[in-house]
Amino acid sequence: DAGVTQSPTHLIKTRGQQVTLRCSPKSGHDTVSWYQQALGQGPQFIFQYYEEEERQRGNFPDRFSGHQFPNYSSELNVNALLLGDSALYLCASSLGYREDEKLFFGSGTQLSVL
Amino acid sequence: GNSVTQMEGPVTLSEEAFLTINCTYTATGYPSLFWYVQYPGEGLQLLLKATKADDKGSNKGFEATYRKETTSFHLEKGSVQVSDSAVYFCALHKAAGNKLTFGGGTRVLVKP
Repeated sequence: DAGVTQSPTHLIKTRGQQVTLRCSPKSGHDTVSWYQQALGQGPQFIFQYYEEEERQRGNFPDRFSGHQFPNYSSELNVNALLLGDSALYLCASSLGYREDEKLFFGSGTQLSVL
Repeated sequence: GNSVTQMEGPVTLSEEAFLTINCTYTATGYPSLFWYVQYPGEGLQLLLKATKADDKGSNKGFEATYRKETTSFHLEKGSVQVSDSAVYFCALHKAAGNKLTFGGGTRVLVKP
C-alpha cells in the first residue's frame, strides 16, 4: 500500500518564476493538506482540499494556489516566487477532515529559490 | 490564535539517557495535542496524541501527559537509543477539522 507520494523531491527555481508541486494521497484517502516547513521551523498550514474544493486556508498570500483532481491527487502552485518561499513543502492526506482523522505525511518537496 | 512553543535544540544525549522535551501551548478551550517525529529524509510521523486533559499518550517508549493546568504536553522517554535521533514536533488542533498548528521542532541527537 503506497503512502503519500510527492514529486519532485527537489526543485531549484529563480525569483519571479512559477512552480507546481504534486501529491498523490495514500490509497483510500480523499483529503489533501499542504504545509510549508521553512528551515529550522515547524510546518505551517497552507490549505486543505476536499471534493476538489479548497475548504480551509492558512495565512498565505494568493500567490499560493492549489487544485485537487477527481482521483484525489493534488497540486500546489506558487507564482512570482520569492527567496522566502524556499522551504520543504509537505503534503498530508487523510480520509475526510474530521478532528479525529489521522494525517499521513509525504517526504516533501525541497524548493530552493535563487 | 493558537500557538505551540517547544524547547529549542539541539538536544544531545548519550544512549540510555532520559529524554524530556518541553512543549507548552496557547489555545482557547480544549485542543487535541500531538507529538510528531521526523527522521532524516522522511516525512512527519505521528508518535502519540492526547485528546483531553490528563490523558497520557504513549508509543515506542515515549510518553506525554496532557496538562490543562499548565497548558503543557512534555515528551519523555526513559532510555533513548541512537535510532531515536530525529526532529520532534509538538502540535495541536482545535475547532473543526484536522488542521495542525506546530511548534518549531526540537532536534535530538543520541550518541552511542
